[in-house]
Amino acid sequence: ETGVTQSPTHLIKTRGQQVTLRCSSQSGHNTVSWYQQALGQGPQFIFQYYREEENGRGNFPPRFSGLQFPNYSSELNVNALELDDSALYLCASSSNLGVSNEQFFGPGTRLTVL
Amino acid sequence: GQQVMQIPQYQHVQEGEDFTTYCNSSTTLSNIQWYKQRPGGHPVFLIQLVKSGEVKKQKRLTFQFGEAKKNSSLHITATQTTDVGTYFCFKGNFGNEKLTFGTGTRLTIIP
Repeated sequence: ETGVTQSPTHLIKTRGQQVTLRCSSQSGHNTVSWYQQALGQGPQFIFQYYREEENGRGNFPPRFSGLQFPNYSSELNVNALELDDSALYLCASSSNLGVSNEQFFGPGTRLTVL
Repeated sequence: GQQVMQIPQYQHVQEGEDFTTYCNSSTTLSNIQWYKQRPGGHPVFLIQLVKSGEVKKQKRLTFQFGEAKKNSSLHITATQTTDVGTYFCFKGNFGNEKLTFGTGTRLTIIP
């Protein structure tokens, strides 16, 4: 086990709704990255948070937003859900900035949009 | 965009055979990481390579970083059923470039 937890495990929403996914990082880690993994595809980088600030973003629209809290846990918010948002959402925590470092992934949240 | 391609996309091997996946970047990499994702699981870190031409070994796994730091490979000797999964290379310096997974190679083992 990595020590990274995510909630909920599974979630079903309908188009147009909003969703919040949560991630608790491993103890001692100050950086959290979020990824979207569609079925049969590799993880796609959404954004990263370091010490409560967004520190990099992939090619995702603004309706994907996030937060990082003082304890370094994080949230991913998705507004106006679309069918294509159905995927496994992974968060990963790591400890260093500036030097690429090992990422510890959580088990993911499986989101289904109907 | 910054693409990281892996070949092959799929590989089916008999148990005991060797397996290799290749990772190619369109840009020079500062470093590269490798992850393994079991079916239904999450990516698990295997290794990080930093130096040009670097070779690292973990038991039956051998990782190489190309001299030009644009490509990398993972070789598994004498595959076992526990090697089943998808192997991804990964690039990105936090904050400096987009974190990018390779397209992945899915390994299945025929017992």
